[in-house]
Amino acid sequence: KNEVEQSPQNLTAQEGEFITINCSYSVGISALHWLQQHPGGGIVSLFMLSSGKKKHGRLIATINIQEKHSSLHITASHPRDSAVYICALQTDGNKLVFGAGTILRVKS
Amino acid sequence: KAGVTQTPRYLIKTRGQQVTLSCSPISGHRSVSWYQQTPGQGLQFLFEYFSETQRNKGNFPGRFSGRQFSNSRSEMNVSTLELGDSALYLCASSKRQGAKDTQYFGPGTRLTVL
Repeated sequence: KNEVEQSPQNLTAQEGEFITINCSYSVGISALHWLQQHPGGGIVSLFMLSSGKKKHGRLIATINIQEKHSSLHITASHPRDSAVYICALQTDGNKLVFGAGTILRVKS
Repeated sequence: KAGVTQTPRYLIKTRGQQVTLSCSPISGHRSVSWYQQTPGQGLQFLFEYFSETQRNKGNFPGRFSGRQFSNSRSEMNVSTLELGDSALYLCASSKRQGAKDTQYFGPGTRLTVL
């Protein structure tokens, strides 16, 4: 069993919809990171969480340490949000263990 | 503040050759981690350096090695290249080691092995 599982693998939404991407994990972590990767490869860090909830613009990330679960929400989705969203666990030192990613496509 | 830079951005090599990739972290960042991304295996951790010392290593063969210099710049080397080494190699920098710090990723080096 993978240490980190993301769902869904693929997601297509209409512009303006509320989007949720889920991440479940089975190991102890020091933090959980949500990353965004656009075509071409560049990775941008969206959030780093160790507890609770964070919000940045239209993006919200939550984590429940007891349930080993995190969610990334996008409100009022826009075509420019189309990207791969990756959940990554910070385990030992700065080592990251990555989920398989969620491919998001937002249609106008 | 300049971001993480990686050179070269693209590289084509043949099997059996060796390659060296370079990563310059954000100024003031002392931790550099390296990752490999392939369509089949996704993103995988290679190794982490902090203060010129390897702090952590992923599950890769000894052909993959790295080092960090006193200015925090890091290099990774792959010897005796195999077709399966074709991948996007990413480095990420952060301020501290083992702390809850954001990791900042470079644009990556796309290596093709023919």
